[in-house]
Amino acid sequence: GENVEQHPSTLSVQEGDSAVIKCTYSDSASNYFPWYKQELGKRPQLIIDIRSNVGEKKDQRIAVTLNKTAKHFSLHITETQPEDSAVYFCAAKSGGSNYKLTFGKGTLLTVNP
Amino acid sequence: EAGVTQSPTHLIKTRGQQATLRCSPISGHTSVYWYQQALGLGLQFLLWYDEGEERNRGNFPPRFSGRQFPNYSSELNVNALELEDSALYLCASSLAGRGNTIYFGEGSWLTVV
Repeated sequence: GENVEQHPSTLSVQEGDSAVIKCTYSDSASNYFPWYKQELGKRPQLIIDIRSNVGEKKDQRIAVTLNKTAKHFSLHITETQPEDSAVYFCAAKSGGSNYKLTFGKGTLLTVNP
Repeated sequence: EAGVTQSPTHLIKTRGQQATLRCSPISGHTSVYWYQQALGLGLQFLLWYDEGEERNRGNFPPRFSGRQFPNYSSELNVNALELEDSALYLCASSLAGRGNTIYFGEGSWLTVV
């Protein structure tokens, strides 16, 4: 089955700096890659996603890049703000007939004011 | 529009007992997913229901089971509770079909003592 590795597990940056979180996946047939943000005590919320026919997608300060050949994708947050502090999860949708979204173990991002 | 709703918010059970968790999807969504979020282990896929049928199952023992009702709501049952079942159980829903965004509920905290 699909295996998603996420790095780093913790990331601390100064306000205004950029943050990058990287994920790799194992199933070459995976074709959908969402990113979720989970604030303490709250539900995971989708912040951006990318499909395998696209190499990059941007939404204001957030961008995701996908390298299908290398089977990795990354989340880039620019001009970080304290409210960006949260746990971020990457995920990959397995190929084949059964839908299964496999998540990475998460990255705790701390933005220091 | 109401999001995914789950009940109860918190549940405390004794080892060996059974727990039942409930989920109502977003109106119009027919697919329901269950995930277990234990500390440090990210989001582990449990079950996927669509149109009343179990479509896929994660690597969990048979004592984790569930069902989906004709109104697309769902319940997760955990029998013979073990201490390591203590976790946040997240329900999510999506429109029918694969590759659609899944939206999470706030979760049900299960504590086994």
